Amino acid sequence: DTAVSQTPKYLVTQMGNDKSIKCEQNLGHDTMYWYKQDSKKFLKIMFSYNNKELIINETVPNRFSPKSPDKAHLNLHINSLELGDSAVYFCASSQGDGPANYGYTFGSGTRLTVV
Amino acid sequence: GIQVEQSPPDLILQEGANSTLRCNFSDSVNNLQWFHQNPWGQLINLFYIPSGTKQNGRLSATTVATERYSLLYISSSQTTDSGVYFCAVAFFYGGSQGNLIFGKGTKLSVKP
Repeated sequence: DTAVSQTPKYLVTQMGNDKSIKCEQNLGHDTMYWYKQDSKKFLKIMFSYNNKELIINETVPNRFSPKSPDKAHLNLHINSLELGDSAVYFCASSQGDGPANYGYTFGSGTRLTVV
Repeated sequence: GIQVEQSPPDLILQEGANSTLRCNFSDSVNNLQWFHQNPWGQLINLFYIPSGTKQNGRLSATTVATERYSLLYISSSQTTDSGVYFCAVAFFYGGSQGNLIFGKGTKLSVKP
């Protein structure tokens, strides 16, 4: 199936731990993103990344670091997890970063719970 | 940045009823999408519709870019339509990274 796939689907961990969420897309898209959905269901961009550059949202703590080994993968590493990091994290991809952008495809999300 | 407002925030329908969801945005866009987040949390892309009208089964969407709004129509609603409907927009220019900005969603509950 062509898709954006994230692993794991659920992640429960203790405060202070370091964890990673993996994302892979086989759509041939050249831009990938991480979004965070808070407890009120609000979705907000964290990072966008394509072959050329990584764009970091200034409101994201530097404990969050995206890593892209190639254009089909964008992983999210989180250091020193805090209770407030509990949320659902969505990976997405799109083709193009100009007017030829044809829309975003989202993964199924990773529900992170920090205890 | 671009502001996205959706209305109504909550909507309860009896099965079989029709409804219209609205999305207003504050600036020019060249990317607009409607998503359905089902009760299991999956974000499903309904329409990519920066302008014009599209239909897919019981759902249709219209975007009037010059007036900065989009409408999502749900006809003959079913309980499986329940969930949160998000409108998201972006404006891409040149080689910039225009990120998709989401509204706060309309929570739809369809009762049997």
